Amino acid sequence: AQTVTQSQPEMSVQEAETVTLSCTYDTSESDYYLFWYKQPPSRQMILVIRQEAYKQQNATENRFSVNFQKAAKSFSLKISDSQLGDAAMYFCAYRSTDSGTYKYIFGTGTRLKVLA
Amino acid sequence: DSGVTQTPKHLITATGQRVTLRCSPRSGDLSVYWYQQSLDQGLQFLIQYYNGEERAKGNILERFSAQQFPDLHSELNLSSLELGDSALYFCASSVGTGVAYEQYFGPGTRLTVT
Repeated sequence: AQTVTQSQPEMSVQEAETVTLSCTYDTSESDYYLFWYKQPPSRQMILVIRQEAYKQQNATENRFSVNFQKAAKSFSLKISDSQLGDAAMYFCAYRSTDSGTYKYIFGTGTRLKVLA
Repeated sequence: DSGVTQTPKHLITATGQRVTLRCSPRSGDLSVYWYQQSLDQGLQFLIQYYNGEERAKGNILERFSAQQFPDLHSELNLSSLELGDSALYFCASSVGTGVAYEQYFGPGTRLTVT
């Protein structure tokens, strides 16, 4: 069975600095998608970035980028030039591409604090 | 604003009771998903509907059921409620069922069982 592990319950970063959130996963599938979601205090789940496993190139969305290491099953999120509004819970998620089943597995989250 | 609406925002009820949570997907989205988020945990997938039909089931208890209506809104019914059912319940919608389709999440319904 697939698993998603976020080993950092909480991280802090100084405003304008860079922080990296870690995520590892386990799967025997070769094709899948990985996601990072942001959940601010409002509790709304917001998609930050996603990565297709068969794509070598790391996904980037403005200040957010990922370091996808398929062989190591690692999918970390880098936030550059951190802003106060980045403070939130961040969830890593795995989704299978197997159309016969639905697997959307979330990690337990990392709480990011941004210090002014 | 994702375009997905959920009602009510908050619900407080007693053990043994039954509640119904409602979700209206974004205009044009045919697929609806339900998730449960217990305190400070990740989301647990419950069930998915596509154009009125159940498409996939996750860790949904037998006490829970859902349906999607012809106008595509969906309801999640929780019965014989227990204290452990207290959680945030999210609905999400997408155009299709494939993984390539982004899911848009609603604001959630916070259920408190006392």
